[in-house]
Amino acid sequence: GENVEQHPSTLSVQEGDSAVIKCTYSDSASNYFPWYKQELGKGPQLIIDIRSNVGEKKDQRIAVTLNKTAKHFSLHITETQPEDSAVYFCAASGPNTNAGKSTFGDGTTLTVKP
Amino acid sequence: GAVVSQHPSRVICKSGTSVKIECRSLDFQATTMFWYRQFPKQSLMLMATSNEGSKATYEQGVEKDKFLINHASLTLSTLTVTSAHPEDSSFYICSAPPAGTPRAVQYFGAGTRLSVL
Repeated sequence: GENVEQHPSTLSVQEGDSAVIKCTYSDSASNYFPWYKQELGKGPQLIIDIRSNVGEKKDQRIAVTLNKTAKHFSLHITETQPEDSAVYFCAASGPNTNAGKSTFGDGTTLTVKP
Repeated sequence: GAVVSQHPSRVICKSGTSVKIECRSLDFQATTMFWYRQFPKQSLMLMATSNEGSKATYEQGVEKDKFLINHASLTLSTLTVTSAHPEDSSFYICSAPPAGTPRAVQYFGAGTRLSVL
């Protein structure tokens, strides 16, 4: 089955700096890669996603890049703000799984210091 | 975006009792819903896939008789933790991909914090 590794497990940045979180996956058939933000005591919220036919996607301060050959994808947050502090999860899913059944990374705790 | 409502948000119960958690898709239909369990500072662990009108599919190691799942309509799935024990205390989260969605987009509920005394 699919295996997703996420790094780093914790990340601390100064407000205004950029943050980068990286994930690798093992199943070359995976074709959908979402990123979720989870605040304390809440469910994960989809913040951005990318499909395998695209190399990069951007939404305001958030961007995701995908390297299919190397099987890794990254989340980039620019101009970080204290409210970006949360746990971020990457995930991967593919055509051989039930629609929506994703494999999640272990999460990255991002702390943005004011 | 699509909204998934999960209820209750928190429940405290005595050991041996059963607890039911509801997951509703408010503005879309979901033929499939997922149930996850999350321990503190850990990732989401998929417990089972709930299928409307048919039996749920459980992940390896998850007891079917312990965690009963019912997906009676296109907008509601329930998870019942039967004869709960302290080791069942956890954060339970449901998610639903809108029916017909080409991508595996999941919308998550807010989660249910279960504490078994």
